[in-house]
Amino acid sequence: NAGVTQTPKFQVLKTGQSMTLQCAQDMNHNSMYWYRQDPGMGLRLIYYSASEGTTDKGEVPNGYNVSRLNKREFSLRLESAAPSQTSVYFCASTEVLWTEAFFGQGTRLTVV
Amino acid sequence: AQSVTQLGSHVSVSEGALVLLRCNYSSSVPPYLFWYVQYPNQGLQLLLKYTTGATLVKGINGFEAEFKKSETSFHLTKPSAHMSDAAEYFCAVSLNQAGTALIFGKGTTLSVSS
Repeated sequence: NAGVTQTPKFQVLKTGQSMTLQCAQDMNHNSMYWYRQDPGMGLRLIYYSASEGTTDKGEVPNGYNVSRLNKREFSLRLESAAPSQTSVYFCASTEVLWTEAFFGQGTRLTVV
Repeated sequence: AQSVTQLGSHVSVSEGALVLLRCNYSSSVPPYLFWYVQYPNQGLQLLLKYTTGATLVKGINGFEAEFKKSETSFHLTKPSAHMSDAAEYFCAVSLNQAGTALIFGKGTTLSVSS
């Protein structure tokens, strides 16, 4: 019962470096999401993919790109990391846009 | 578009006391409403959800919430708090509408003292 799997769990980057956060779900869900969680800010939507082949911006998309590689996988890329991107990142999936979300365990990213 | 407001970033109760966490929403169409719980260093898990039908919904661990359309509220309650309820709680809203996605409130941290 893997559910939603995120890799890596922890990462430290230097300012200007790039990296890709990986997310995969095994529930045959159509929709996938990337959120960031910061103290006092709740979860803010970065990007989402309503279905395979589509992606849309959320509340805080600047500095990020996404790829819906196939139905299972949805990756988040930081092209040039900045200290403001230090956060905990969560991937989630839903059967369709308005149903219960299942979350990964999160990636704790620090940019120094 | 939709939005969620959670009143009170931190709520403290004594063990055995009533828990009340407040959530108000705004949306242009009938909403789907959720409460999620997050324990330290973990992901989020669903407590309960409202889609259609009965406005009082029951969830896991003795929690329940009531959808009140006239007040645009979806407050979370539990009659008697337990130490294990200490966590962060998030209210969320989504719409059956293209171009929208699940949006979260800023969260309420619940502390339970003995």
